[in-house]
Amino acid sequence: DAGVTQTPRHEVAEKGQTIILKCEPVSGHNDLFWYRQTKIQGLELLSYFRSKSLMEDGGAFKDRFKAEMLNSSFSTLKIQPTEPKDSAVYLCASSLDTEVFFGKGTRLTVV
Amino acid sequence: GDKVKQSPSALSLQEGTNSALRCNFSIAATTVQWFLQNPRGSLMNLFYLVPGTKENGRLKSAFDSKESYSTLHIRDAQLEDSGTYFCAAGNTGNYKYVFGAGTRLKVIA
Repeated sequence: DAGVTQTPRHEVAEKGQTIILKCEPVSGHNDLFWYRQTKIQGLELLSYFRSKSLMEDGGAFKDRFKAEMLNSSFSTLKIQPTEPKDSAVYLCASSLDTEVFFGKGTRLTVV
Repeated sequence: GDKVKQSPSALSLQEGTNSALRCNFSIAATTVQWFLQNPRGSLMNLFYLVPGTKENGRLKSAFDSKESYSTLHIRDAQLEDSGTYFCAAGNTGNYKYVFGAGTRLKVIA
């Protein structure tokens, strides 16, 4: 069975660009999460979907971050416009009511 | 303050020795997960717990929801156990997990 798939694995963007990160959850999972990981802040929740409905949009991340789940097997995280402080690893995770499984992440560098 | 506090923040272990990592919660948690993040950054699932204990090979974990803590015991540490261990607290009915800051473990020969 495929786990959580994230693409791309690495992304380099110039300040001000728009980037879109993609995630395919584990088939059949109904919860999907986007996290951001940095050395200073650790793991921070950006968005949380339950059965494709947005349950949480991460408060402080509303401004330039937009997560969407167009169908149960695909989600995107758009950052627009990017800023250097957005450089981090972006992790997608999914679960079926219980245990959460993570993808390998997308390492974003904004220059 | 931190809702999920992990201790110690860093640890160095001689190969073959034992140790315990701890997670204290200041939020109501009904489930706990433990992960190991390897040097490449992948988060691997170690345990998913409701109150009680689980064991898997050289690892054993316990979760006490009344006292609001969880532990992860590593027995006979091996070099491949090196990485960052995260605990995360969850609540049935609200499946967002709150993560601790992690424990960086280095196992040395």
